[in-house]
Amino acid sequence: NAGVTQTPKFQVLKTGQSMTLQCAQDMNHEYMSWYRQDPGMGLRLIHYSVGAGITDQGEVPNGYNVSRSTTEDFPLRLLSAAPSQTSVYFCASSYGGQNSPLHFGNGTRLTVT
Amino acid sequence: AQSVTQLGSHVSVSEGALVLLRCNYSSSVPPYLFWYVQYPNQGLQLLLKYTSAATLVKGINGFEAEFKKSETSFHLTKPSAHMSDAAEYFCAVSDISGGSNYKLTFGKGTLLTVNP
Repeated sequence: NAGVTQTPKFQVLKTGQSMTLQCAQDMNHEYMSWYRQDPGMGLRLIHYSVGAGITDQGEVPNGYNVSRSTTEDFPLRLLSAAPSQTSVYFCASSYGGQNSPLHFGNGTRLTVT
Repeated sequence: AQSVTQLGSHVSVSEGALVLLRCNYSSSVPPYLFWYVQYPNQGLQLLLKYTSAATLVKGINGFEAEFKKSETSFHLTKPSAHMSDAAEYFCAVSDISGGSNYKLTFGKGTLLTVNP
């Protein structure tokens, strides 16, 4: 049981480049989400999905797009990377519901120069 | 909207000493609360969660937390720190703003250092 798998682990981009951060889970979880982690800021929610075909914005959605075509996958797209998007990105999933804990991937460390 | 405040961005204790990490929440409804731990270069792992069944919640690795409604607190404790407890700890509250019952709102984290 792999849990939540994120790829790549590390990525360096130049300003203006685009890329997709991949996230896959094998636990049949309805809910998936993307957070970014910055020093002293904790984790901030970027986008989330409550099921295939359904996505919504979190606290810091600007500059990011998502889609959810399958239950398993929830990719995060950066269309035109900016230095402000330098961060560690975490994908997380859960069964859903208020007392359902999140299961996290190991993160993608992104640097935009 | 729900929010979480973790008092102290960095806590340092000696090995064998009591660990106390503070978390206060704001919520207009009875909250669901969580503590997560993050070891270096890893994702977050669930330590424990409060779901109203009992005010004292026991988690993994000897940690526990007590829900105090009157103080809107959910502090994390461990009687005796071990070197392997060195990590960053996050408190989180289930955010039901906008009708969603899926989102978690996290505190800014507390880095725990354990000195030999």
